[in-house]
Amino acid sequence: DTGVSQDPRHKITKRGQNVTFRCDPISEHNRLYWYRQTLGQGPEFLTYFQNEAQLEKSRLLSDRFSAERPKGSFSTLEIQRTEQGDSAMYLCASSLGFYSTSEAFFGQGTRLTVV
Amino acid sequence: EDQVTQSPEALRLQEGESSSLNCSYTVSGLRGLFWYRQDPGKGPEFLFTLYSAGEEKEKERLKATLTKKESFLHITAPKPEDSATYLCAGLGVIQGAQKLVFGQGTRLTINP
Repeated sequence: DTGVSQDPRHKITKRGQNVTFRCDPISEHNRLYWYRQTLGQGPEFLTYFQNEAQLEKSRLLSDRFSAERPKGSFSTLEIQRTEQGDSAMYLCASSLGFYSTSEAFFGQGTRLTVV
Repeated sequence: EDQVTQSPEALRLQEGESSSLNCSYTVSGLRGLFWYRQDPGKGPEFLFTLYSAGEEKEKERLKATLTKKESFLHITAPKPEDSATYLCAGLGVIQGAQKLVFGQGTRLTINP
């Protein structure tokens, strides 16, 4: 296991279409995070899983966004009825541990372009 | 509201010219202060985690330090390959859930 893997790396979609991204975390990492990053800005928190439980969702995550992590392994982020404002880099990160801090490792991201 | 602010937004240095990047934070129940390096079109690459004021960590030409209100990333005798955006993030705990709050980054350019 060489790190956090995200698929696809790039996605171009027409406005109004649905898209789904996948994240495979580092094996045995129980925490998984989704972030969104626009050009020139730092990543913004979207949602967070501990094992299969989704513990927090940002206000940025509208009803068009949904994330799952079945069985506490890989995660998917779906965006329904995409809008041009959804164009961004979507980053996934994972870390190990419960209430102790630890390094969070990021994937390479999925670049979404809505045309 | 939790906030992390980095300065400067952009910094251009000559090769070998040492400098420091600043990260000021107000994060509820801070559990750690993270530094990442990000190259264009790629995900952030982990550099350091600092857990308590006074702590320092080093990696090659980089040294990170932490006080109660801010963190510094010192770059000594940088090389062109150190050019990247450097991100700072505070790990906070809100209602039992941990999340990283990022600054906007400092875009560092090292000219040969």
